[in-house]
Amino acid sequence: DSGVTQTPKHLITATGQRVTLRCSPRSGDLSVYWYQQSLDQGLQFLIQYYNGEERAKGNILERFSAQQFPDLHSELNLSSLELGDSALYFCASSVAAGVRTDTQYFGPGTRLTVL
Amino acid sequence: AQSVTQLGSHVSVSEGALVLLRCNYSSSVPPYLFWYVQYPNQGLQLLLKYTTGATLVKGINGFEAEFKKSETSFHLTKPSAHMSDAAEYFCAVTLSYTDKLIFGTGTRLQVFP
Repeated sequence: DSGVTQTPKHLITATGQRVTLRCSPRSGDLSVYWYQQSLDQGLQFLIQYYNGEERAKGNILERFSAQQFPDLHSELNLSSLELGDSALYFCASSVAAGVRTDTQYFGPGTRLTVL
Repeated sequence: AQSVTQLGSHVSVSEGALVLLRCNYSSSVPPYLFWYVQYPNQGLQLLLKYTTGATLVKGINGFEAEFKKSETSFHLTKPSAHMSDAAEYFCAVTLSYTDKLIFGTGTRLQVFP
C-alpha cells in the first residue's frame, strides 16, 4: 500500500459525459501527478500540481482539467468523453517539487470505460 | 528530448533463471533513471532509481540495475527469478529540470515453474 488513494476504482460512462476522478496523496506529500495508461499510448504524464498550484503540464487534452485543493487532494475532470479516453488513470504523489530525486508513489488507479 | 526504449515487450524465464530486462535512454543532460513494477490490477511501485554516484543501483526484491553512460543503458537484472516476479516492468527517465516521468512501453515478465 503506497498510501495514495484513488476513487472510484472503476467508472463506466457514455460518450459525451463528464466524470471526476479523485486522488488523496500520502500524508505530508505536497505534489500530485496524474498519468494516463492506455493500450495505445502507454503511460503518459498528464499534469502536476504542487501545493495547490499547477506546476507542469504534459499531454493533457483541453477537455481534461485538474485542480489541487487546500487539503492537498486532487481531482481530474474529464469532459466530452470519447471512446479513446478509456484508460487507467493513475495519481502519484511526492514530498516536494522540482527535485528529480524525489520518489513518486502511485495510487492503485481508476479504470475508466467509455461506452 | 529525453526518451526511453524498452527492448522486448515480453520476456519469459524459468524460475531460478537470470532475469534481464533491457532499457536504453536518450537524454541531452545527465538522466535520472527509474524502474517501476506493476503487478496485475495494481499501481506502480518503485523498484530502484539512479540519480548520481554509484552506477550499480540495488533495489527491492533482489533487483539491481547498472547505469552505463557509454551504452546509454539502464538494464534491470535479478540473478534468480521467482514466480512472484511475474509483472510488468517500466523503465522511466525524468525530463531535465522537471519532475515529469517519461515511461518506456513496458516489459511483461513471465516466470515459468
